[in-house]
Amino acid sequence: EAQVTQNPRYLITVTGKKLTVTCSQNMNHEYMSWYRQDPGLGLRQIYYSMNVEVTDKGDVPEGYKVSRKEKRNFPLILESPSPNQTSLYFCASSFSGTSGRYDGELFFGEGSRLTVL
Amino acid sequence: GQSLEQPSEVTAVEGAIVQINCTYQTSGFYGLSWYQQHDGGAPTFLSYNALDGLEETGRFSSFLSRSDSYGYLLLQELQMKDSASYFCSVDQGGKLIFGQGTELSVKP
Repeated sequence: EAQVTQNPRYLITVTGKKLTVTCSQNMNHEYMSWYRQDPGLGLRQIYYSMNVEVTDKGDVPEGYKVSRKEKRNFPLILESPSPNQTSLYFCASSFSGTSGRYDGELFFGEGSRLTVL
Repeated sequence: GQSLEQPSEVTAVEGAIVQINCTYQTSGFYGLSWYQQHDGGAPTFLSYNALDGLEETGRFSSFLSRSDSYGYLLLQELQMKDSASYFCSVDQGGKLIFGQGTELSVKP
């Protein structure tokens, strides 16, 4: 089954305790990206990756890190979480324009609800 | 700045037609996509317009006019299960911008 898998789905942590949210896709997609969703603000892009070893900042990258060492994985790292990073996080992937198969369709994971106390 | 504007809420009755607008102020983009999201679940893809004009997919259609900086999602034969949030999004070569979403309520 084609899917994007995020873990953990739910997490409560404390300020300053480093955490990683994993994201894996099995569709051989070149493009992967992370978003946070807050009430009234819609989806805001944190980071994106056009392919392995290529990452770039989205609209709200402060306080986050990413890496793309393998095509299928794109973990989101919060080195020192703060309460303002309490949010619902989504990972998504798609074929990229460079593959010739881009059709505007993002495939989203089920989301990771993070609470930072 | 770059932004996409959508109405925050729309209400319609079952069986009706509803249009959700998306107006934008961006410097350029490859295409406009639409997504549906139920109750904080995973957004799911509905439609994509790379070119101006109308794209039809079953009960859903989407339209784009770059000259008017405007697009819309048209939902026909509304069903109760269409009650959800709908987001428009533009792709700027990997950098994606989303609207704040429109919450659609379908009434019996």
